[in-house]
Amino acid sequence: AQSVAQPEDQVNVAEGNPLTVKCTYSVSGNPYLFWYVQYPNRGLQFLLKYITGDNLVKGSYGFEAEFNKSQTSFHLKKPSALVSDSALYFCAVRGVAGDTGRRALTFGSGTRLQVQP
Amino acid sequence: EAGVVQSPRYKIIEKKQPVAFWCNPISGHNTLYWYRQNLGQGPELLIRYENEEAVDDSQLPKDRFSAERLKGVDSTLKIQPAELGDSAVYLCASSFDRGDRETQYFGPGTRLLVL
Repeated sequence: AQSVAQPEDQVNVAEGNPLTVKCTYSVSGNPYLFWYVQYPNRGLQFLLKYITGDNLVKGSYGFEAEFNKSQTSFHLKKPSALVSDSALYFCAVRGVAGDTGRRALTFGSGTRLQVQP
Repeated sequence: EAGVVQSPRYKIIEKKQPVAFWCNPISGHNTLYWYRQNLGQGPELLIRYENEEAVDDSQLPKDRFSAERLKGVDSTLKIQPAELGDSAVYLCASSFDRGDRETQYFGPGTRLLVL
């Protein structure tokens, strides 16, 4: 079975400082990894994904994520946080093709990012 | 391009009453998903459609939940009868299946409160 762990319920960072939101995963075979952001009373918005290729993936709003196969991690990063980045962030994983049951995403429990002015 | 549309956005019902949610996916997207998100948790899959066929409904509580996707476009998720534990946000997502690398795009969700 595939799973995702987001070890921090909340991350606090000052505006202008770099931020990291942690994610580790477990899946058979090569993973497809995703980050989504959720603002209050809104659906999930896609930020970025890793399928294959470069371990550093760049996404929307200046976010990037680093895939580390040996540590089975996919941490979300941003060099300089904005107050408007405050939201709930979800990491998700999907297994490889050929297994109908694994096409759905398995999400972590989410990390609330609070950026203080 | 319009995103995934869901209605209603909010629904309050008493237990044992029926309720239905509607989803219109992004135009051209052949795969549609229904997820349930409980408070403080990540979304969990209820059912996945490829065109009009339900290909993964293993997590759908079939005694009270049903879903359909007529003509492979819009979809409806129904609960009958609703229970207190069904209070959650119901999210619809869609994707265009291209070699298994598709990105799922989510609608705003329907927040259900069962009293």
